[in-house]
Amino acid sequence: AQSVTQLDSQVPVFEEAPVELRCNYSSSVSVYLFWYVQYPNQGLQLLLKYLSGSTLVESINGFEAEFNKSQTSFHLRKPSVHISDTAEYFCAVSERGSEKLVFGKGTKLTVNP
Amino acid sequence: DVKVTQSSRYLVKRTGEKVFLECVQDMDHENMFWYRQDPGLGLRLIYFSYDVKMKEKGDIPEGYSVSREKKERFSLILESASTNQTSMYLCASRSPGDYEQYFGPGTRLTVT
Repeated sequence: AQSVTQLDSQVPVFEEAPVELRCNYSSSVSVYLFWYVQYPNQGLQLLLKYLSGSTLVESINGFEAEFNKSQTSFHLRKPSVHISDTAEYFCAVSERGSEKLVFGKGTKLTVNP
Repeated sequence: DVKVTQSSRYLVKRTGEKVFLECVQDMDHENMFWYRQDPGLGLRLIYFSYDVKMKEKGDIPEGYSVSREKKERFSLILESASTNQTSMYLCASRSPGDYEQYFGPGTRLTVT
């Protein structure tokens, strides 16, 4: 069965510092990978996704994630964070052919001034 | 623009009450989902539906049921609410050809 591990439950950083939020998954078949973001008191929004093709995917607000099949990872990175990036980030995986998403437990990113 | 709405943002109910949480999507999506979100546990799938009147249990269906009489509406029912069902409930929908799920704003349910 597929599963997702987010290695850090909380990540505090200072504004303009780089950040990496780690995500590893396990699955016996090909997968699609997602990062969702949840701002306080809101639902989840898709940040970026990997379906096929280039293993490096980018979002419109400067985040990027790289699919590494050999390490079964999909880490999220940003070279310089802003206060407004403070949110909870969820990694999710879907096996090809499945309707379901399996989520990690989330990482709370707090950006301090 | 994609839209998933949930009937209430906040709800307070008493133990033993029957509770209905409603979700509506305007994207003509076949698939709809109900999750609960708890601190430190992430999102866990309660039920999902892949078509009208079709449903499947997710990972934690105990204590819940669902109804999908129309394509755009998916209801989560707590037959007899208990305090351990206090949680944030999130609804989502997607089209079979698109692996992205679109989420509503959530309903924070408190059972006292």
